[in-house]
Amino acid sequence: DVKVTQSSRYLVKRTGEKVFLECVQDMDHENMFWYRQDPGLGLRLIYFSYDVKMKEKGDIPEGYSVSREKKERFSLILESASTNQTSMYLCASSIRTASASNEKLFFGSGTQLSVL
Amino acid sequence: GIQVEQSPPDLILQEGANSTLRCNFSDSVNNLQWFHQNPWGQLINLFYIPSGTKQNGRLSATTVATERYSLLYISSSQTTDSGVYFCAVERGDYKLSFGAGTTVTVRA
Repeated sequence: DVKVTQSSRYLVKRTGEKVFLECVQDMDHENMFWYRQDPGLGLRLIYFSYDVKMKEKGDIPEGYSVSREKKERFSLILESASTNQTSMYLCASSIRTASASNEKLFFGSGTQLSVL
Repeated sequence: GIQVEQSPPDLILQEGANSTLRCNFSDSVNNLQWFHQNPWGQLINLFYIPSGTKQNGRLSATTVATERYSLLYISSSQTTDSGVYFCAVERGDYKLSFGAGTTVTVRA
């Protein structure tokens, strides 16, 4: 089975802190994604990467950056955390095939981040 | 961007009942997936189904891409089926757009 592992289940940070969220997948997937999930707003794409060192903005990239130095690892960085970044953060990965650039998405268990 | 509408927003079922969830989308897509989010927040991929019909145990899904909708069928529902079901679509740019979800509650 595909395993997508997020480093923390719960995280509490102070406003202005630099925050790193780590995600590792063990299935050699090309594509990796960071989403946030908020009540009433659903799941929204922050950033994604379709290859090592490649990154693309999603729908809400402001206030975030990402890093993908190795194929299995995709990091989300909050340069200066703010209270409106309190949310559930979900990492996902998917395979690229000859017929589809982005097949079945597999999610990690999520990190609930609280910024105080 | 592409609009994804799911219906109904909420569904309450008695254990053993069957149900159908619907997903409508506003543009042609090359990727459609169904997910189940359990009460602990874990999102599980149920189907990758850009077109056609697939079955997995008590669950099945059908996508009619030309008419821009997909259906998820739950048969003989169990309490473990409770949670939120999401439909997500993509037009080939890696950006999956998620619907608001259908919250299913199965009562024993």
